[in-house]
Amino acid sequence: TQTVSQSDAHVTVFEGDSVELRCNYSYGGSIYLSWYIQHHGRGLQFLLKYYSGNPVVQGVNGFEAEFSKSDSSFHLRKASVHWSDSAVYFCAVSALMGTGSKLSFGKGAKLTVSP
Amino acid sequence: GPKVLQIPSHQIIDMGQMVTLNCDPVSNHLYFYWYKQILGQQMEFLVNFYNGKVMEKSKLFKDQFSVERPDGSYFTLKIQPTALEDSAVYFCASSLSQHQNTLYFGAGTRLSVL
Repeated sequence: TQTVSQSDAHVTVFEGDSVELRCNYSYGGSIYLSWYIQHHGRGLQFLLKYYSGNPVVQGVNGFEAEFSKSDSSFHLRKASVHWSDSAVYFCAVSALMGTGSKLSFGKGAKLTVSP
Repeated sequence: GPKVLQIPSHQIIDMGQMVTLNCDPVSNHLYFYWYKQILGQQMEFLVNFYNGKVMEKSKLFKDQFSVERPDGSYFTLKIQPTALEDSAVYFCASSLSQHQNTLYFGAGTRLSVL
């Protein structure tokens, strides 16, 4: 069974600041990692994913995430946030076995960007 | 981008009644999912569905739950009978293929069981 831990439930920054949202996972096999964003009252939207190759992956709207096997982490970063980035961010892991993309989500990190 | 529609956005029913949550997935997608999110908690996998069959389900997918997608219409989650603990937001998702593939989520149906 794979588990996902997001240590920061609430993060508040100012517009223009950089931000890092942490994600750690536990699973012994090959996995597929992703980040999703959820604006208030809307469904989750895909940001980026990692399976193999370059451990730094680029996503939409200037987001990037870095995979670290040694730390079992997949932290999300953005160099300069905008007020529209205020949302809840979910890290997810999927085992590369079985059928279908059964994602296990973290509890989410609510990012608030103040003007 | 591709959109998944969920109908209704909010459903209020009495305990013991039947409820059907409807999902209109992305048109060319083949894999369908339901997730459950209780207020303040993380989203949890319920079931995935492919080629007319349940492929995998979690322990949250109780015997009172069923899913189907008759003739390529809505992908539905039916709960019969409902219980108080079924109150949650239910998210539908779809993907083109399994593994390494992006899931597209609907906005959710908030189910309130009284």
